[in-house]
Amino acid sequence: AQSVAQPEDQVNVAEGNPLTVKCTYSVSGNPYLFWYVQYPNRGLQFLLKYITGDNLVKGSYGFEAEFNKSQTSFHLKKPSALVSDSALYFCAVRDPYGNKLVFGAGTILRVKS
Amino acid sequence: DTGVSQDPRHKITKRGQNVTFRCDPISEHNRLYWYRQTLGQGPEFLTYFQNEAQLEKSRLLSDRFSAERPKGSFSTLEIQRTEQGDSAMYLCASSLYSGSDSPLHFGNGTRLTVT
Repeated sequence: AQSVAQPEDQVNVAEGNPLTVKCTYSVSGNPYLFWYVQYPNRGLQFLLKYITGDNLVKGSYGFEAEFNKSQTSFHLKKPSALVSDSALYFCAVRDPYGNKLVFGAGTILRVKS
Repeated sequence: DTGVSQDPRHKITKRGQNVTFRCDPISEHNRLYWYRQTLGQGPEFLTYFQNEAQLEKSRLLSDRFSAERPKGSFSTLEIQRTEQGDSAMYLCASSLYSGSDSPLHFGNGTRLTVT
């Protein structure tokens, strides 16, 4: 069965610095990978996805993610963090033969000014 | 695109009572999902529909839980004889399924508190 691990409960970064939120996955076959963001008392918002092709995927709000098949990782990145990026971030995987998303436990991102 | 709408936003109920939540998906979306999220955890899959057919149910969905999607439009999730362990955020999502790369669009959730 597919699974996702987000090894950091929280990531702290200063505004203007680059940020990375880590994700590793386990799935049989080729993975379909997603990142979502959740603000307090809100649903999840889609940021970006990797299906195939270029290992660097660009998404919403200046975020990007790097797919690494040998390390089974899909880390979320942003070159310059904003205070407004502070939120809860979820990595998710969907088996191409399955029909649902399996989410990680989430990582809290705190960006301080 | 008015987004996925869930009602109510908050529900407080006493243990043993029945509750029903409603989800209105994005109008052209053929798939509808229910997830449950507890504090400090990622969303856990409960069930999903393609049009009006319920195609998969999680083992998390006990006999006290039932979901419907009549006519393939809105969906309801009912919990009978609620327990304190049912307290969680219940999230609905929809997608226009054209392959496994279709992202899910989530509503803002219904927060259930069982006292």
